[in-house]
Amino acid sequence: GQQVMQIPQYQHVQEGEDFTTYCNSSTTLSNIQWYKQRPGGHPVFLIQLVKSGEVKKQKRLTFQFGEAKKNSSLHITATQTTDVGTYFCAGLKYGQNFVFGPGTRLSVLP
Amino acid sequence: EAQVTQNPRYLITVTGKKLTVTCSQNMNHEYMSWYRQDPGLGLRQIYYSMNVEVTDKGDVPEGYKVSRKEKRNFPLILESPSPNQTSLYFCASNHAGELFFGEGSRLTVL
Repeated sequence: GQQVMQIPQYQHVQEGEDFTTYCNSSTTLSNIQWYKQRPGGHPVFLIQLVKSGEVKKQKRLTFQFGEAKKNSSLHITATQTTDVGTYFCAGLKYGQNFVFGPGTRLSVLP
Repeated sequence: EAQVTQNPRYLITVTGKKLTVTCSQNMNHEYMSWYRQDPGLGLRQIYYSMNVEVTDKGDVPEGYKVSRKEKRNFPLILESPSPNQTSLYFCASNHAGELFFGEGSRLTVL
């Protein structure tokens, strides 16, 4: 079945450093979404990417969808303590439901 | 306020004692789903519903039942809970591809 992997599993950064998490699918995706879950909270939708090679930005966050639509990345520039949480990608294959990656837990040291 | 409401938020029960986790959304969304979240495994879909009276299995449906008699409600039923169903459960509704999650229900089965 479809598998979605994420690396790294954990990342500890100093406040102000950059952070990147990578998402890889075993199959071609129709689109990919990213969610953020704060400690003790629920996942919250960040963005959806649909087009091959698509790049979207939200303030300090940059999202990319690979040319082959099998991988994606989330990059945070100059992390802040408010960025702490677990970031999940969720891949959607045509005609099927979303499959979530295991997540990358980000810790930001002040 | 648009929201997905789950109850109970926390529950400790014993093996074999039937329980129901309720989920209600006030956004008139047709699609609803249940996920369980376990460390290192991300969010795995249990069941989903495309509309009233239409439900289907997700990736990990064993030991669970659902019903969708009304658009707003999508209860998750554990007929005979077992310790391996100890987990954090999220209900979600979906509109235009974006998942809206409830606050989560932490279930412990002893």
